[in-house]
Amino acid sequence: DGGITQSPKYLFRKEGQNVTLSCEQNLNHDAMYWYRQDPGQGLRLIYYSQIVNDFQKGDIAEGYSVSREKKESFPLTVTSAQKNPTAFYLCASRSTGRRDIQYFGAGTRLSVL
Amino acid sequence: GIQVEQSPPDLILQEGANSTLRCNFSDSVNNLQWFHQNPWGQLINLFYIPSGTKQNGRLSATTVATERYSLLYISSSQTTDSGVYFCAGNTGGSYIPTFGRGTSLIVHP
Repeated sequence: DGGITQSPKYLFRKEGQNVTLSCEQNLNHDAMYWYRQDPGQGLRLIYYSQIVNDFQKGDIAEGYSVSREKKESFPLTVTSAQKNPTAFYLCASRSTGRRDIQYFGAGTRLSVL
Repeated sequence: GIQVEQSPPDLILQEGANSTLRCNFSDSVNNLQWFHQNPWGQLINLFYIPSGTKQNGRLSATTVATERYSLLYISSSQTTDSGVYFCAGNTGGSYIPTFGRGTSLIVHP
């Protein structure tokens, strides 16, 4: 099946710990995105990448880091500097060309222990 | 960046009712999409509709690009339609879609 796979579905972080959320796509899309969603809120952009080995900060990048070493993969690390990491994290990729469409993974729920 | 306004913010319906959700943009957009976020959090693509009208079963959407708005129609609503509906679009050469704050829909049996 073609799509975007996020793992794990649920993740718990201890104080001072870095955790990494996985995002893999087999849609052959160049662009990938990470969003954060807090309860009852919309989506806020953390980081995006338009091409391998390149990424840009979004609106709320502080306390997060990413890498884009492969086209298929765009992992997000929530560092200990992110003081309020409890949220729902969504990864997306985007097709380009005649129709510019964004597709989403199923999300990862991160909680602090 | 552009502003995206969705209305109404909340909607409660009885099963079988029809509804219209609206999305207004502060500037011209391309690549306009409608999404449904189900109770488990997944965003499902409903429509890619930069202009014109499309239908998919009980759902249809219309975008009037010159007037900077889009409408999502839900007919004969079902409990499985519950969730949050988002619209998103980007302007010019931007690769970053701007999302509205969503319309939360609850359909009661």
